[in-house]
Amino acid sequence: NAGVTQTPKFQVLKTGQSMTLQCAQDMNHEYMSWYRQDPGMGLRLIHYSVGAGITDQGEVPNGYNVSRSTTEDFPLRLLSAAPSQTSVYFCASSPRPGTSGDTQYFGPGTRLTVL
Amino acid sequence: AQSVAQPEDQVNVAEGNPLTVKCTYSVSGNPYLFWYVQYPNRGLQFLLKYITGDNLVKGSYGFEAEFNKSQTSFHLKKPSALVSDSALYFCAVREWGTASKLTFGTGTRLQVTL
Repeated sequence: NAGVTQTPKFQVLKTGQSMTLQCAQDMNHEYMSWYRQDPGMGLRLIHYSVGAGITDQGEVPNGYNVSRSTTEDFPLRLLSAAPSQTSVYFCASSPRPGTSGDTQYFGPGTRLTVL
Repeated sequence: AQSVAQPEDQVNVAEGNPLTVKCTYSVSGNPYLFWYVQYPNRGLQFLLKYITGDNLVKGSYGFEAEFNKSQTSFHLKKPSALVSDSALYFCAVREWGTASKLTFGTGTRLQVTL
């Protein structure tokens, strides 16, 4: 199993550009989420999905869109990049919340810089 | 609302000495508690979790954590630190029996020196 994969590893954007961060998992997990990691702030939840076709907002959703057309994939779209979105982005997946599993598995991250 | 506090930004320990990384939490009901570790330029890796049962939970790489309900704490411990344990450690909490989301602390950097 590859686990959770993310592409690209690094990206530099100019203000106003759009892009999609890719995330895929091969563990048949129902639950997927996107976090951003900023110094001194830990991980903050951007969006999450509890299954194909179902998404919801997390703590810091503004400026980001998601969709979940398949169980495996959960892309994160930046509509118009801003310098405040410079961060490291992590995708995670887990079995259905509330089960005894409930451990999140993280991808290696995407380091995004917006100039 | 649920929350996690990691009061120390950094913990410094000499190799061979015991280490403790502190975590306190707040949830309305019963907690699910987790510790994750992040090595440089890597994603987070699961270390251990508390769901129910014994208050002392054993995890990967010789780490353990003690759940203390009265003090709402879940401190991470290891009897003998290694230089290779140097990393960023995150505590996280979720309320048991709900679909609430996982809330992470701000992280504690552990530095183990020779």
